Amino acid sequence: GAGVSQSPRYKVAKRGQDVALRCDPISGHVSLFWYQQALGQGPEFLTYFQNEAQLDKSGLPSDRFFAERPEGSVSTLKIQRTQQEDSAVYLCASSYFSASTNNEQFFGPGTRLTVL
Amino acid sequence: RKEVEQDPGPFNVPEGATVAFNCTYSNSASQSFFWYRQDCRKEPKLLMSVYSSGNEDGRFTAQLNRASQYISLLIRDSKLSDSATYLCVVNGGAGGGNKLTFGTGTQLKVEL
Repeated sequence: GAGVSQSPRYKVAKRGQDVALRCDPISGHVSLFWYQQALGQGPEFLTYFQNEAQLDKSGLPSDRFFAERPEGSVSTLKIQRTQQEDSAVYLCASSYFSASTNNEQFFGPGTRLTVL
Repeated sequence: RKEVEQDPGPFNVPEGATVAFNCTYSNSASQSFFWYRQDCRKEPKLLMSVYSSGNEDGRFTAQLNRASQYISLLIRDSKLSDSATYLCVVNGGAGGGNKLTFGTGTQLKVEL
């Protein structure tokens, strides 16, 4: 079946531009996560949704970062006034169960953002 | 100090060798433990979950020591296709919840 998809796969933005990154989770998956992966580092947690509710946004690095999942399926991560330090791969992951910590998270291919 | 620490490598090993990766985590409240594999410019994929009793999947063996907060991965008879970055991952760590906390990854290169 279809996995997690993300678009665009690559995005080049000029410093100060706003960007919007889209994630389509696996159909029926309750939980959705966003992670940021800088070059040479492991992914770092940004935010977590259970259906349409954003239950944890502790990883968002600044108020320039905003995420939503209004209908409990597709999610958008928006970055306002992009800075060079925002350059990274943004990974979306989804999982079926919401309560257990042992559920596999399935990752999308990521959006590689480069801010010039 | 990072919550999950790994030696970044690279580990360069000949085909057929046995290689071991280690990882430590700082939060004793962590509940679930995993090894993920990430190929170059690809997304992470679950390799295996890690349990205190130890678990094996073919050539791969994972072990968790909760007392020492230490996780290991052993790869036997390594193949060229095992070349990748191996990420040590914990869930339910600092702040709790379902978020995954990743180490920086250990790079493995298997050579002829």
